[in-house]
Amino acid sequence: QSVLTQPPSVSGAPGQRVTISCTGSSSNIGTGYDVHWYQQLPGMVPTLLVYGNTNRPSGVPDRFSGSKSGTSASLVITGLQAEDEAIYYCQSYDSTLNVVFGGGTTLTVL
Amino acid sequence: QFQLVQSGAEVKKSGASVQVSCRTSGYTFTSHNINWVRQAPGQGLEWMGWISPSDGFTASSQTLQGRVTLTTDASTSTAYLELRNLGSDDTAVYYCARESSHSGSFDFWGQGTLVTVSS
Repeated sequence: QSVLTQPPSVSGAPGQRVTISCTGSSSNIGTGYDVHWYQQLPGMVPTLLVYGNTNRPSGVPDRFSGSKSGTSASLVITGLQAEDEAIYYCQSYDSTLNVVFGGGTTLTVL
Repeated sequence: QFQLVQSGAEVKKSGASVQVSCRTSGYTFTSHNINWVRQAPGQGLEWMGWISPSDGFTASSQTLQGRVTLTTDASTSTAYLELRNLGSDDTAVYYCARESSHSGSFDFWGQGTLVTVSS
């Protein structure tokens, strides 16, 4: 059982918008710790997608956006493309500053 | 460009130990913490611990129950993970990841090392 809760799967048609939630608690996200998001394409190494709740590394399309409120965070993907099919993980910290991950959300582009 | 190159796949017997290396290049080794993350087959990401190459300070997940040792060699810009008393549930791909000094996120990852534990 992961400390951060994500839906196991989400799906959407090309061009649509999807939201992936990441629910924590007052012991992690709610304490004010940043949330980061990673994308893991099939068979590949995870890569950083969003850092510090809302920021995109260079090269990440602006179709990907992150937000955080209270004890939760969200990743929004607009204009879905087939290449977005991947597993998405959120990451934050617990009260001892240990790293915690969400269980991962598999995105299927229909 | 930044690179983290890990050692090759390992096959170990239950109860044995394994060491995975992570050789870095393209940046100042002592300026960024190195984190270790593992992923069991078909499962999600599990954080194992981190080490500061500048002072050797480490922290690790309590779920590993003291079986892990993290070290670095600044002369070769290499980080090491040792995991002892292996069990079948330690079969996983092990990743090293550079921690951004700005955000704390894992901005660059090694290619992964598959460790298979057999009985």
